[in-house]
Formats: sequence, C-alpha cells, structure tokens
Amino acid sequence: EVQLQQSGPEVGRPGSSVKISCKASGYTFTDYVMNWVKQSPGQGLEWIGWIDPEYGSTDYAEKFKKKATLTADTSSSTAYIQLSSLTSEDTATYFCARGPFDYWGQGVMVTVSS
Amino acid sequence: DIQMTQSLASLSASLEEIVTITCQASQDIGNWLAWYQQKPGKSPQLLIHSATSLADGIPSRFSGSRSGTQYSLKISRLQVEDTGIYYCLQRYSNPYTFGAGTKLELK
Repeated sequence: EVQLQQSGPEVGRPGSSVKISCKASGYTFTDYVMNWVKQSPGQGLEWIGWIDPEYGSTDYAEKFKKKATLTADTSSSTAYIQLSSLTSEDTATYFCARGPFDYWGQGVMVTVSS
Repeated sequence: DIQMTQSLASLSASLEEIVTITCQASQDIGNWLAWYQQKPGKSPQLLIHSATSLADGIPSRFSGSRSGTQYSLKISRLQVEDTGIYYCLQRYSNPYTFGAGTKLELK
C-alpha cells in the first residue's frame, strides 16, 4: 500500500526557515517525482514544484523559486521541503503528492508567528 | 500560466440527483486533467485522471469527460458522502494549476 507520511505541525518565527518531510512507502521511491502543494487557510491549492529523487532534479513554479527548496534522501525514501524567510503569507498546509498526484500525504500545517 | 476556471464556486443538489461540475482551461491541455475531492481537514483524493479515466477504488457513479478545453466531472446519483470541494488540476505545463474549487453540498 502506497503511503506518504508527513512530519508534524511546525511553528516558525518571521524570517526563519522550516523543513518538513514526507516519507514514502509501498513503492519504489525513485520511480516517481514528488510534488509539493500549498493550501492557505480556507483557500485553494497551489503547486510549488517537484523533485525527481533519482536524479535530484527539480522544477519549481516561478512564484516559489526563492521560497522553497526541495530535496530527497533515497536511503530513507524521504522527500523534504524547506521554506525560507518565513512571512505570514507562508502560513498554510503543505502536502506532498506522488508524481501523477495519485497519492497524497496527510498535510503539514505551518504557522508563522512571532 | 494556464488558468483553470471552475465557474461555480458552490453547488447544492439533492440525493440521487445528477451533478455536473465543469472546468475550463485557458488553452489546450490535452488530457492532462485530473479531478479531486477534498473533505475538511483531509488531503485531496484523486477521482479521475487523464480527463476520463476513473481512479482505482472510485465508485462508477463518477465520470469525466472532455469537449475541447472544457472538462466535466459528472456524479450520476449523488450520495451523502459526495459532499466536499472538487478541484480540477492541469499538469500539462509548468506551473501546474488547480481550479479554484466547487463546493458541493446536499440540499
């Protein structure tokens, strides 16, 4: 059974960074890219980018190029997203989703607060 | 960027009714269109991929269709568990974009 298990909720101070994880199981991690999606409170869904765990290559939406950094550790089948220079606009739930967006993690709430 | 327009922000329908939700792409995206249902506090669930293909484990009352750049999700007989927000997603080109969502409620 394919599962994407994300880390727990995060609170970050304005200007700081947070890093959240997405551990994959039930399939070969390197067979699919991993996408990341943002959902602001009460809002819709925004695609941030993807990482190909096999090659480490990435593709980002222009809007998130300076905000998000995607990495992956094939030894632990875990993908990561780091969000930098946090502002109130980054308060949201962040989902990981396997390549075709067929399986999703449960989401991680990131709250930016001083 | 490709805009995905879901013209109805909300929709109210009765049990067993036929419901159709639409999504208009701002340019040709071929069949790179998927539909999702999201319930409060949950992650989106894939219903339809490749515009018309039913995802594994999804009831057959859900179906997808395409006419040019307009895509439709049809629920043939609405059930209680079908309430939620429905999103379309295009992954034809970067940036992948979602529709704004259509909230489906029971009348």
